Amino acid sequence: SYVLTQPPSVSVAPGQTAKISCGGNNIGSRSVHWYQQRPGQAPVLVVHDDTDRPSGIPERFSGSNSGHTATLTITWVEAGDEADYYCQVWDSSSDWVFGGGTKLTVL
Amino acid sequence: QVQLVESGGGVVQPGRSLRLSCAASGFNFTDYATHWVRQAPGKGLEWVAVISYDGVNKYYADSVKGRFTVSRDTSRNTLYLEMNTLRVEDTALYYCARAAGQYTSGPPCDHWGQGTLVAVSS
Repeated sequence: SYVLTQPPSVSVAPGQTAKISCGGNNIGSRSVHWYQQRPGQAPVLVVHDDTDRPSGIPERFSGSNSGHTATLTITWVEAGDEADYYCQVWDSSSDWVFGGGTKLTVL
Repeated sequence: QVQLVESGGGVVQPGRSLRLSCAASGFNFTDYATHWVRQAPGKGLEWVAVISYDGVNKYYADSVKGRFTVSRDTSRNTLYLEMNTLRVEDTALYYCARAAGQYTSGPPCDHWGQGTLVAVSS
C-alpha cells in the first residue's frame, strides 16, 4: 500500500514562512491535495492538484511537488494558520491515502 | 451554498450495526462523487469509502471492506454508510465530503460536513 509521510509538527514565528513536507515514493508523478483542519472543525481544502488554490484561499498558501516530496508552503504565517495539515493522494492499489498530518504551531 | 449534514452516530456495542446518513443540498447530487472519511479521537484523517456520481462504482478502505457499504438515495439527496460488525477501532468522527468532480479517483474533497460521532464500546 502507498504511504505518505509527514513531520508530526512544524513551528514558525508570525510573519515567517512555514514549509510542510509530504513524502511518498515517486509522489511527483501523482496529484497531491492539501487540507487544513483547525481545532474542532472539519477539514478545508487549501491546495489541490499540487499547486492550485480553491477560491477563497489566500495566495499565502502554495504547493509544489517533485521527486519523492510534495511541499505546502505558507508565507507570512498568521496566528489563524495554526492547525493540522494533511496531504492526500489517490493510488490505484490503495485508493485514497492521507498523510499522518502535521501540527503547525505559530510561536 | 453547498451543505453536507451528517447524522446517525451514537454509542453501539461491538458486533452491532449502525447506519449513517449525509443530507446534501446546494448542488446537483448526481453530478459528484462523494466520500466518507473518519477521524479517531486525537488521530489523523482516514479515508473510508467513495461512491461515484452515478452510484455505479464504490470503493472501500481495506479496514472496512466487507463490513461497510456506501449507498445513496438520489430522490432524497442523501448519502448513506451502512456499518456492520462494528469494532472498537471503528470509533471515530465520520465525515461525508463531496469530491470536486464525478469520478472516484483524482478530484479532491472540496466540501465537508461537520461529522457525526460513532463510539463502539461494550
